[in-house]
Amino acid sequence: RKEVEQDPGPFNVPEGATVAFNCTYSNSASQSFFWYRQDCRKEPKLLMSVYSSGNEDGRFTAQLNRASQYISLLIRDSKLSDSATYLCVVNARPGYGNKLVFGAGTILRVKS
Amino acid sequence: EAQVTQNPRYLITVTGKKLTVTCSQNMNHEYMSWYRQDPGLGLRQIYYSMNVEVTDKGDVPEGYKVSRKEKRNFPLILESPSPNQTSLYFCASSFYTPGANVLTFGAGSRLTVL
Repeated sequence: RKEVEQDPGPFNVPEGATVAFNCTYSNSASQSFFWYRQDCRKEPKLLMSVYSSGNEDGRFTAQLNRASQYISLLIRDSKLSDSATYLCVVNARPGYGNKLVFGAGTILRVKS
Repeated sequence: EAQVTQNPRYLITVTGKKLTVTCSQNMNHEYMSWYRQDPGLGLRQIYYSMNVEVTDKGDVPEGYKVSRKEKRNFPLILESPSPNQTSLYFCASSFYTPGANVLTFGAGSRLTVL
């Protein structure tokens, strides 16, 4: 089993739609979780951290489910500019210098 | 502007010709790391450094070397590049350990080894 797994997509959605991605992780001791966004051929950039209680930033909501070992990202009212690859990032090996493990990414395409 | 700078951004080389990809950050970050990104595999860590003169192997270190003589610089060295090292490379940095802090990435270096 991969340490961090994501559905690669692509998710093709119309503008204004709500879309959700999940990401599962294998190490139950993982403590830190993030969503990064990567535009085509560019560097990943932090979208948001994921907190135990869940957190929201504008149209974006992130949630953590420790019991089932997954995190989710919900995007409401999708915009064309949301088209990108979304990377799930987990410190899947706590104690090894808190090394982060990246999922392979989920592709989102928002169409007009 | 706070940033991580990588050079070169694009490089085509031939098997066996040594090359160095430079990485420099101006944020006084202790932690620096190199990743490679290949289709379907996500970002995989090559080497990382917790501070000056402290480096350690990541998940895919074979064929690569690094050094951390100064806090701001973390060059990636390919002593004898091979075609399977054709990839998109990213340098990243953060304060302390990345589990608790946000990684800032360079713009990437696309390497092709013929």
